[in-house]
Amino acid sequence: DGGITQSPKYLFRKEGQNVTLSCEQNLNHDAMYWYRQDPGQGLRLIYYSQIVNDFQKGDIAEGYSVSREKKESFPLTVTSAQKNPTAFYLCASSTQGATVNTEAFFGQGTRLTVV
Amino acid sequence: AQSVAQPEDQVNVAEGNPLTVKCTYSVSGNPYLFWYVQYPNRGLQFLLKYITGDNLVKGSYGFEAEFNKSQTSFHLKKPSALVSDSALYFCAVIPASGSARQLTFGSGTQLTVLP
Repeated sequence: DGGITQSPKYLFRKEGQNVTLSCEQNLNHDAMYWYRQDPGQGLRLIYYSQIVNDFQKGDIAEGYSVSREKKESFPLTVTSAQKNPTAFYLCASSTQGATVNTEAFFGQGTRLTVV
Repeated sequence: AQSVAQPEDQVNVAEGNPLTVKCTYSVSGNPYLFWYVQYPNRGLQFLLKYITGDNLVKGSYGFEAEFNKSQTSFHLKKPSALVSDSALYFCAVIPASGSARQLTFGSGTQLTVLP
């Protein structure tokens, strides 16, 4: 089936550790996005990528890093510099360019908890 | 910069009654508008979108939304609510033109349909 897969579903991080969240899509979409969701704050954009080997910072990029070496994959690393990483993280993908009017598809999310 | 406002954090409605979830937006130029629904601990599911043409758009599960350019609004509606419609609803906007377009979400509205 075509879709977007996030792993793991739950992740626990110790203070000072870096962790990487996986996002893979087989929809042949050019654009991929990472959002952070906190209660009452909706979705906030962390990073997005419109094409392989290129990405841009979103509204809350500090303490996060990404790579886009393959079209299908857009992993997010939560670094120790992120002071409050406990949240629900959502990855999404969509077509880009002339067809940007199509909807984004979302993964099922990763819940990260600092212990 | 674009933005989306969902003025109500919570909407309660009795089953069988009509429901409205409000959304207003701010964007340079013409907008592409979307509604998504989220169930607990899950990703977002696409409901409907406005790109161009008829101001009233119909989507999944009997939902519809009306685009009002003069009021910069895109309210979500359903003639008869079901208990199973209870979920978190997000409105989103992306500019129809320009470079580095990104999808911006509102803060979400929790809809509760009471039996």
